[in-house]
Amino acid sequence: DIVMTQTPLSSPVTLGQPASISCRSSQSLVHSDGNTYLSWLQQRPGQPPRLLIYKISNRFSGVPDRFSGSGAGTDFTLKISRVEAEDVGVYYCMQATQLRTFGQGTKVEIK
Amino acid sequence: QVQLVESGGGLVKPGGSLRLSCAASGFTFSDYYMSWIRQAPGKGLEWVSYISSSGSTIYYADSVKGRFTISRDNAKNSLYLQMNSLRAEDTAVYYCAREEAAPASWGQGTLVTVSS
Repeated sequence: DIVMTQTPLSSPVTLGQPASISCRSSQSLVHSDGNTYLSWLQQRPGQPPRLLIYKISNRFSGVPDRFSGSGAGTDFTLKISRVEAEDVGVYYCMQATQLRTFGQGTKVEIK
Repeated sequence: QVQLVESGGGLVKPGGSLRLSCAASGFTFSDYYMSWIRQAPGKGLEWVSYISSSGSTIYYADSVKGRFTISRDNAKNSLYLQMNSLRAEDTAVYYCAREEAAPASWGQGTLVTVSS
């Protein structure tokens, strides 16, 4: 089974400042079809999760461009260029190359 | 717009059974893979199962294999999860999600509580 490890688990950030979350997989996420199925999801308090980024760096419909994803192989990063109050919540990375596995989640809160 | 509405959750005793449903609307249901994903109270997300658009391909997490059965009725635009031999550790909010290279659209979830 592929294990997904996120760091940090908690990230206090200042409004308007950038934030970054890392995600590492226990094996390469490159699928036999050539795609890398690494996604990022956001879960605001009391809400279901929402897809932000799929296949490493593709923003899902309606996602603001302050969210960006990068990485390759086993190391991936989600960046928020300027944190806004509505970005508070828990962020999960997820792999869909081999079944599905989620990271533990990273809690983003305002300092 | 895409709408997914889960139902069927509730309180059940250990060893009992429950059947969850997910009613889909706003898209061509038969074109999409679908997943069940759960979240225990105060915990992270755990993938449970997914089913291909035709229903011919199905996978389960090891934690539910042999106890849970996913199915779909494309004529009724509905996804199901039959849960048998329920355990306390199955207590969670269960979400259905439409798959597009990732779980792209989610329902609000239905709470399943397994307790005596």
